Amino acid sequence: AQKITQTQPGMFVQEKEAVTLDCTYDTSDQSYGLFWYKQPSSGEMIFLIYQGSYDEQNATEGRYSLNFQKARKSANLVISASQLGDSAMYFCAMRNYSNYQLIWGAGTKLIIKP
Amino acid sequence: NAGVTQTPKFRILKIGQSMTLQCTQDMNHNYMYWYRQDPGMGLKLIYYSVGAGITDKGEVPNGYNVSRSTTEDFPLRLELAAPSQTSVYFCASSYQEYSNQPQHFGDGTRLSIL
Repeated sequence: AQKITQTQPGMFVQEKEAVTLDCTYDTSDQSYGLFWYKQPSSGEMIFLIYQGSYDEQNATEGRYSLNFQKARKSANLVISASQLGDSAMYFCAMRNYSNYQLIWGAGTKLIIKP
Repeated sequence: NAGVTQTPKFRILKIGQSMTLQCTQDMNHNYMYWYRQDPGMGLKLIYYSVGAGITDKGEVPNGYNVSRSTTEDFPLRLELAAPSQTSVYFCASSYQEYSNQPQHFGDGTRLSIL
């Protein structure tokens, strides 16, 4: 069965430090995509970054990068130089190219301390 | 650009009442989705649609109905509200033909059943 696991329910990080949010996935498919979303306290879902299973390089988007280790089935989100505005829930999600559904992790609550 | 618009933003229902959550998108996306998010949890797919006139069940469809008469609109109907349906509901849309395209979310509807 397809599954996304986020093992860190919550994290506290000092402002300006880098932070890594863990995500492991389980799938038997060869073609899939991994997404990270941010959900601030205001509630909206904001797309951050995408990694395809066949992408040879790790995805990057500004301060966000994805540490993709295919053999270990992990897709960790790295936020460099954290800011107070990064405080939010972060969700990892996976989509297989054979269907239309995103499978979601339970999320990690990140709190940036000043 | 409006993106995905959900109405209402908040609603309180009594047990047994019915209501329709509205969702409209102006991005000409073929694919649309309804999710629910319970407190402290990730998103669970209720229903999805791959185009006008085509809908299918997701992970948690019981107690809900949908229709898709136009590309833009994808309303979610609760027929007999139950306390277990207290949740935040998100509508999303995407270009599914391009699998690396993220789902775009509305701001959510916070629904309480009392």
